[in-house]
Amino acid sequence: NAGVTQTPKFQVLKTGQSMTLQCAQDMNHEYMSWYRQDPGMGLRLIHYSVGAGITDQGEVPNGYNVSRSTTEDFPLRLLSAAPSQTSVYFCASRIAGVLYEQYFGPGTRLTVT
Amino acid sequence: AQSVTQLDSQVPVFEEAPVELRCNYSSSVSVYLFWYVQYPNQGLQLLLKYLSGSTLVKGINGFEAEFNKSQTSFHLRKPSVHISDTAEYFCAVSEGDYKLSFGAGTTVTVRA
Repeated sequence: NAGVTQTPKFQVLKTGQSMTLQCAQDMNHEYMSWYRQDPGMGLRLIHYSVGAGITDQGEVPNGYNVSRSTTEDFPLRLLSAAPSQTSVYFCASRIAGVLYEQYFGPGTRLTVT
Repeated sequence: AQSVTQLDSQVPVFEEAPVELRCNYSSSVSVYLFWYVQYPNQGLQLLLKYLSGSTLVKGINGFEAEFNKSQTSFHLRKPSVHISDTAEYFCAVSEGDYKLSFGAGTTVTVRA
């Protein structure tokens, strides 16, 4: 298994540009989520999904969209990038139920200038 | 709503010395507690978790944590650290739904 994969690893955007961060998992996990990591703030939940076709907002959803058309993929879209969205983004997945471990991808480092 | 406070942002420690990372949480209901580790330029991986039962939880790489309900704490300890333990450590809490709340992180730097 490849686990949780994310592309790209690094990205530089100009203010106002849009882009999609890709996330895929091959473990047949129901739950997937996106976090952003900023210095001194830990990880904050952006959006999450409990299954194909079902998504919900997390703690910091503004400026981001998600969809979940398949179990495997959970892309994160930045609609109009802003410097405040400069961050490291992590995708994670797990089996339904808190007993199960959450697996994280390697991260995407995004800089918005 | 739940929240997590990691009381130390940076912890320098010498190799083979013990280390304790402090974590306090606030919640109005029963919680599940986790410690994650992030090595440089990598994603997070689970060190250990408390779901129920014994309040002393053992994890990978010789780490352990103790859940103290009265003090709402979940401190992480290791009796003897190695250079390879240099990393950032995150405490996290879940109230039973999907949403994990993370602390701000503690950077552990192990020196020879």
